[in-house]
Formats: sequence, C-alpha cells, structure tokens
Amino acid sequence: DIQLTQSPSFLSASVGDRVTITCRASQGVSSDLAWYQQKPGKAPKLLIYAASTLQSGVPSRFSGSGSGTELTLTISRLQPEDFATYYCQQLNKRPYTFGQGTKLEI
Amino acid sequence: QVQLQESGPGLVRPSQTLSLTCIVSGGSISNDGYYWTWIRQYPGKGLEWIGYIYYSGTTYYNPSLKSRLSMSVDTSKTHFSLKLSSVTAADTAMYYCARYDFGHGMDVWGQGTTVTVSS
Repeated sequence: DIQLTQSPSFLSASVGDRVTITCRASQGVSSDLAWYQQKPGKAPKLLIYAASTLQSGVPSRFSGSGSGTELTLTISRLQPEDFATYYCQQLNKRPYTFGQGTKLEI
Repeated sequence: QVQLQESGPGLVRPSQTLSLTCIVSGGSISNDGYYWTWIRQYPGKGLEWIGYIYYSGTTYYNPSLKSRLSMSVDTSKTHFSLKLSSVTAADTAMYYCARYDFGHGMDVWGQGTTVTVSS
C-alpha cells in the first residue's frame, strides 16, 4: 500500500495567515491526489482533486500543487471557518489510502 | 443533488457480521463513472478506505479486509450495502458511504454511522 505522511500533524495559525500542508507519498502518485476538510462531527468534504483542481463551490483561497511524492495544500488568508482537520488521499493505486491528518487550530 | 444516508445497527457482538446499507437519493446509482464506496474512521480519527462497488456489481475490496468483506448493490439501484464478518473490537469505527467520482475523489458523503463492536 502507498503510505501518505502529512506534515505538520498540528498547525497553529491565525485568521488572515497563509498556511501550507504537505503530503508525502511512499511512492509516486502522479497527480492522483485529493484533499479533504473535516470539521468535528461531520463527514470529510472534498476540496481539491487531481492535486490542483478546486472542487465546485470551494473558495479560491484553497489551492493544491505538486506531483509525484510531494504534494501541498495551501490556504491563503485563513478564515475562521477554515479551522478544521485536513486529509490527503491518493487515488493512484488501490487501496486508496489517506494521510493521518493535519489539525489546523487557532 | 445526490444525498447518501447510512443505516445499520450501532452495536455488533464480537464474531458476528456487521451489515450496513447506504440509501442513495436525488440521483441514480447506475450513472456511469461513479463508484459507490465505503470508508471508515477510527476513534483516533484515522481514515481507512474499505472498498467500492460499481452499479454493475463489480467490486474492489481493500486487501486488508477482503477475506471478511462483501458488498452488493440492490437490483432497483437505490441502495448499496456492506457486510463485514467476524468482527472484533478493531472494527469499531464511524462508517461512511461515499460516491467516488473516478479520478476526482469522494465528492458526496453520507453523514456516517457509528458502529461499536462489544459484547
């Protein structure tokens, strides 16, 4: 299975900050990576797919980049509603594995 | 707008079979390109992709669960189901059903159902 390691696991930031979360894969996943946001008591929500394509309805302050073994999620100008846990998922090779999550806190 | 809703028992005894159903509303399971997926989230928050089924009945199961897992889709194409046999406490988790838009990620999720394995 492809292992995904997210860094950092915890991130403290303030409203208006720019933050970056990295997802490193144990083997190349090309651009077959999705990012999800999860808030307490809710299901994950798809933010980005194919490494950099914004899902419909997701604010443009979210962006994704990278390919291969290192991919990133960037949130520019953090808003209060962005404080949540973020997960990456590779869709390159089954089983489709997830990263361990990054909790973004104030 | 497609919506998903999981249903099933909240408590399952060890060694028994866990059965869950995901009801699909607002759209058809038979649409090309969508794979109907199960994912679970452990109490420690880690996510595990369980597997998927296509409307034709084609399945892919996570090898870690394959020997205990079965998925089906009903003939009227309004729901799909999961059966996990010989459960243990390690199967305690929140179980989600989701729609996998092939290559695009899990774009629609149910609200999840908590399953506890305990005697």
